[in-house]
Amino acid sequence: AQSVTQLGSHVSVSEGALVLLRCNYSSSVPPYLFWYVQYPNQGLQLLLKYTTGATLVKGINGFEAEFKKSETSFHLTKPSAHMSDAAEYFCAVILGGSARQLTFGSGTQLTVLP
Amino acid sequence: DAGITQSPRHKVTETGTPVTLRCHQTENHRYMYWYRQDPGHGLRLIHYSYGVKDTDKGEVSDGYSVSRSKTEDFLLTLESATSSQTSVYFCAISAGVGEKETQYFGPGTRLLVL
Repeated sequence: AQSVTQLGSHVSVSEGALVLLRCNYSSSVPPYLFWYVQYPNQGLQLLLKYTTGATLVKGINGFEAEFKKSETSFHLTKPSAHMSDAAEYFCAVILGGSARQLTFGSGTQLTVLP
Repeated sequence: DAGITQSPRHKVTETGTPVTLRCHQTENHRYMYWYRQDPGHGLRLIHYSYGVKDTDKGEVSDGYSVSRSKTEDFLLTLESATSSQTSVYFCAISAGVGEKETQYFGPGTRLLVL
């Protein structure tokens, strides 16, 4: 079985501050890991993903995430928040098997304060 | 957007009525998915398809059925809608192979069951 836990359903940061959104997973096999972003009234957009190889993954809009197997974590960071980063962020995992099913965390709403 | 459209985009219906949501893709992807999004739950898989007439259940399949008679169309049917099925429904496709595999999402359908 696999599950995804996102710590903090709401996170607020000031513009220019560090963004840190936390994601932990449980999986019996090495997972593929994803971060998606959802802007209001829109679908989900892929930010970045980890499959194998380099554990620090860079994505769009200045975001990056680091896969830490020992901590079963895949936290999302951005050095300096921008007002346009305000959105809901979802962490997700997938087993590279036949079903290819994504399991999502419950999401973190990011607010950026001026 | 991986060529995914959903129709209708918004629907209001009454309890007990049948509802069909359509997902259409233009890029001949084999795997298609239906998710529902509810506050505090992230996205949860309802059903998925791995080819024409090949479908399987997801985590929250009760009360839903699907059909896929053509590669490009994946239909989700609520046989008798209930208020608990008020949600935002997202269709997704899986593109790429192996480590390049990624799910892309449609714009969503907002369903309100009164």
